Amino acid sequence: ETGVTQTPRHLVMGMTNKKSLKCEQHLGHNAMYWYKQSAKKPLELMFVYNFKEQTENNSVPSRFSPECPNSSHLFLHLHTLQPEDSALYLCASSQNPLAGGITGELFFGEGSRLTVL
Amino acid sequence: EDQVTQSPEALRLQEGESSSLNCSYTVSGLRGLFWYRQDPGKGPEFLFTLYSAGEEKEKERLKATLTKKESFLHITAPKPEDSATYLCAVQAFSSGNTPLVFGKGTRLSVIA
Repeated sequence: ETGVTQTPRHLVMGMTNKKSLKCEQHLGHNAMYWYKQSAKKPLELMFVYNFKEQTENNSVPSRFSPECPNSSHLFLHLHTLQPEDSALYLCASSQNPLAGGITGELFFGEGSRLTVL
Repeated sequence: EDQVTQSPEALRLQEGESSSLNCSYTVSGLRGLFWYRQDPGKGPEFLFTLYSAGEEKEKERLKATLTKKESFLHITAPKPEDSATYLCAVQAFSSGNTPLVFGKGTRLSVIA
């Protein structure tokens, strides 16, 4: 596989469930991101990982818990979500500027469409 | 606070009818301005990076330009396959490694 792969593509969960979103990148990048995309709103940055270390948490509620075991994999653990958390969750990767490259050139996965009932 | 405003929200063109999309921005020292294309049900796809006023980039029917306050994405003789949402984003020098601030996008429909 090439590029950035996200699973599952669609997820429906109740407010008391626990689920996880998975992202894998095959580009050799060392920075990974979670974004939230809701209708009529700009893309919202949630978390950034550089070389497996979290460098950005954009005031995200604790019901979202990221995990980055290595520079190729990123997870978003979900628990006790609210209906307003329903959105498209996008994973992206890029080269870290310390390693050369351009941080603004992000490579996105196709997203995980989450519906919270 | 860095901000990006895109206009119009939606644009409907006939095939072959050229037009421009606008991206106005305020940023504390521009590191880069980025254009992305997003198809329905897909993630955004990188198109261009612009770094300084006066710079232009081209790809097929698309040309991106940059001034100190805004960027334009010019679409020449569009085809139905150009239909997508076009996103503009900026990155400020003050942000360090923090990535982009996105606009809400312009939804382009090209009718055959």
